[in-house]
Amino acid sequence: EVQLVESGGGLVQPGGSLRLSCSASGFTFGSYAMHWVRQAPGKGLEYVSGISSVSGTSYADSVKGRFTISRDNSKNTLYLQMSSLRAEDTAVYYCVKSIATLWLSTFGPWGQGTLVTVSS
Amino acid sequence: DIVLTQSPGTLSLSPGERATLSCRASQSVNSNYLGWFQQKPGQAPRLLIYGASSRATGIPDRFSGSGSGTDFTLTISRLEPEDFAVYYCQQYGSSPRTFGQGTKVEIK
Repeated sequence: EVQLVESGGGLVQPGGSLRLSCSASGFTFGSYAMHWVRQAPGKGLEYVSGISSVSGTSYADSVKGRFTISRDNSKNTLYLQMSSLRAEDTAVYYCVKSIATLWLSTFGPWGQGTLVTVSS
Repeated sequence: DIVLTQSPGTLSLSPGERATLSCRASQSVNSNYLGWFQQKPGQAPRLLIYGASSRATGIPDRFSGSGSGTDFTLTISRLEPEDFAVYYCQQYGSSPRTFGQGTKVEIK
């Protein structure tokens, strides 16, 4: 069974940094693209970033230059390094696995999310 | 970036009725790389449809997707009580991937 467990969320001041982690199990982690999607309180889904199996990356314009996605296939872990955080980055951040090994495949299992709150 | 516009914002229907949800893209979606997700309160989203019309594993056949190019539709043939939720479309053919703003299907 695929399991995705996010951690690292919490309260951070504007301008601060935070690193999210997603621990994966139940599949061959290194073969799949992985993504981060966020959802602000009471709002819709927003794509944040993705990383392919060969570490090519993609970012939403709203986070480009501030967030960095990475992966450690030896640890089956996905990361999201977030810096220069703003109030509008406040959201639940979901770790998501692609349904297939191709980059152009949609999202399969989602984690339960970790809440990031940016506030002074 | 491709902008996805979903309509209506809210759909009020009774169990047993048919639901038709629309997703329109600001430009053509490559190879119909369009998916639909269902989200219930307090839960992570769940994939229903990929490739515009293929049902994901374990999804009941009352859910169907159709469309191509810039216009896509999710149809729920007969609403069950567990189908009342928010539905999102997503394109994954262009980077960055984008979501629609969602359609809430509520009990009338």
